[in-house]
Amino acid sequence: GESVGLHLPTLSVQEGDNSIINCAYSNSASDYFIWYKQESGKGPQFIIDIRSNMDKRQGQRVTVLLNKTVKHLSLQIAATQPGDSAVYFCAESFILTGGGNKLTFGTGTQLKVEL
Amino acid sequence: EPEVTQTPSHQVTQMGQEVILRCVPISNHLYFYWYRQILGQKVEFLVSFYNNEISEKSEIFDDQFSVERPDGSNFTLKIRSTKLEDSAMYFCASSSLGTGNQPQHFGDGTRLSIL
Repeated sequence: GESVGLHLPTLSVQEGDNSIINCAYSNSASDYFIWYKQESGKGPQFIIDIRSNMDKRQGQRVTVLLNKTVKHLSLQIAATQPGDSAVYFCAESFILTGGGNKLTFGTGTQLKVEL
Repeated sequence: EPEVTQTPSHQVTQMGQEVILRCVPISNHLYFYWYRQILGQKVEFLVSFYNNEISEKSEIFDDQFSVERPDGSNFTLKIRSTKLEDSAMYFCASSSLGTGNQPQHFGDGTRLSIL
């Protein structure tokens, strides 16, 4: 079946280092992906998205890379800060014929920033 | 920045009782969604709603579930006769009208506890 999954359940980094969170997807027809951050007691917070016609997209301190050949997605966080500690999810989006889109989430990676 | 708001933040209900979870999506958004997250598990799609009707629902969204947009601002999820396994975080999300996939923005959720 189709699935979206994460390679590492927990990632610990030192404050100031760069973080890389990985995600594998299996549906080669997928054309839109989103990274979300979820802090304890909060809902998923949109970080950055990328469409399949792009290989790379940059935001503020974050970069998403998409490798369609191996169906791999990564989120890079530059100069990681304590406030970046959270669970990070990748989500695969499918357009619904009736309107809107449906997200399929991965299992999540816990990012821990050590001082 | 506009946000999705959900009430209540925590709902405790006896098994077999009806519950209504409420959401106020972002005001200019036209697509509305409910997701749930059982403790320690992935965020799962429940239902999408557009133009006053359901555009897609998952196998989780059985006859005990219903959604409604009773006025121009609220979007509700009703569970008619709750079961223990309905205990979870329920997230509302919304997205704007646009070509192709659009990012969904989530509320902070309602924690539903069934006793």
